[in-house]
Amino acid sequence: AQSVTQPDIHITVSEGASLELRCNYSYGATPYLFWYVQSPGQGLQLLLKYFSGDTLVQGIKGFEAEFKRSQSSFNLRKPSVHWSDAAEYFCAVAAGDYKLSFGAGTTVTVRA
Amino acid sequence: GAVVSQHPSRVICKSGTSVKIECRSLDFQATTMFWYRQFPKQSLMLMATSNEGSKATYEQGVEKDKFLINHASLTLSTLTVTSAHPEDSSFYICSAAAGGQNEQFFGPGTRLTVL
Repeated sequence: AQSVTQPDIHITVSEGASLELRCNYSYGATPYLFWYVQSPGQGLQLLLKYFSGDTLVQGIKGFEAEFKRSQSSFNLRKPSVHWSDAAEYFCAVAAGDYKLSFGAGTTVTVRA
Repeated sequence: GAVVSQHPSRVICKSGTSVKIECRSLDFQATTMFWYRQFPKQSLMLMATSNEGSKATYEQGVEKDKFLINHASLTLSTLTVTSAHPEDSSFYICSAAAGGQNEQFFGPGTRLTVL
């Protein structure tokens, strides 16, 4: 079965600074990888996804992620964060049966 | 496109009553729907997977007689929490996937509080 690890529980970053959220996965075959963002009391919004092809994936809101098979990682980055990026971020991996396994999440706090 | 709605967004009920939560795919046909549960400051835990016209498949540890799932049409799935108790209070989120697609689209969630 697949699994996801997000090593950072909480990250605080200054507005305008860069952000990187780590994600490591465990899966025997080529995974389908996702990053979601969740604001308090809300559902999940898809930021980006990787199925195949170019390992650098561009998403919405200025986010990007890079799939590195050798490191089993799919880290999320943003060059310059905005106060509105404060939220909970979840990395997820899916197998061929569509089932998603989520990481524990990383809370991002943005300070002025 | 790919919008999923949930109703209600928030519900408060007394202990021992049953609560039904609806999940609808508004602009696509969802052959598969998923139900998740999320406790405060925790990740989403998959409860069950339902395919239209079939019985739901429950994850280990989820009581199928307590959490009744119905997926009667390609646009609607319902989750009924039977004889709810305070420990069932949680945030319930559904998602939907179209046939042949490896992406799930999430609803906005339902906050259940059992008094």
